[in-house]
Amino acid sequence: DADVTQTPRNRITKTGKRIMLECSQTKGHDRMYWYRQDPGLGLRLIYYSFDVKDINKGEISDGYSVSRQAQAKFSLSLESAIPNQTALYFCATTPGTGSPDTQYFGPGTRLTVL
Amino acid sequence: ILNVEQSPQSLHVQEGDSTNFTCSFPSSNFYALHWYRWETAKSPEALFVMTLNGDEKKKGRISATLNTKEGYSYLYIKGSQPEDSATYLCASLSGGYNKLIFGAGTRLAVHP
Repeated sequence: DADVTQTPRNRITKTGKRIMLECSQTKGHDRMYWYRQDPGLGLRLIYYSFDVKDINKGEISDGYSVSRQAQAKFSLSLESAIPNQTALYFCATTPGTGSPDTQYFGPGTRLTVL
Repeated sequence: ILNVEQSPQSLHVQEGDSTNFTCSFPSSNFYALHWYRWETAKSPEALFVMTLNGDEKKKGRISATLNTKEGYSYLYIKGSQPEDSATYLCASLSGGYNKLIFGAGTRLAVHP
């Protein structure tokens, strides 16, 4: 079984809809991250969390919110989806110790906003 | 936020060719440089994490070097195989920004 899972894997929605992307991990890592990937751009950090009570904005947090429900779960919400949020979204985890910030990625969620 | 640049953007080589590509990153306040391999429809996977100037790491036919003073890293693939086809991402922890900054990647296609 995969260590970092994301659901759904693909989603098509309409402008204005609320969408939640979910991430779960069995690695026992404290740190979790949400990134988006757009063609021709690097992965950009949306939000990150270093433990259950910690939430931090990343580079491009506008239009997104997150919830860290447990050590193993980190959800990303789009309160009112817009077409420029069409992208590939990755969840990642890091142990927070040892090898500096090596990211363990989920398989990605491809989101299309019409 | 300072940029991490990768070149070339894409590369097509024949099976058996050796190839290399570049990652440029802010050299100030350097902490770490990561390389990831991302196959289509799969998760990016860590190849190397490098922290020391002059460091060289190797995994099979793939190796990487690091120059923190001038802010670049090279990734080399010796004797490319079709299964090496992927996007290779680098990410830097430097420039005073305490989170990884990713480059846009180099997309490698190895043709039989």
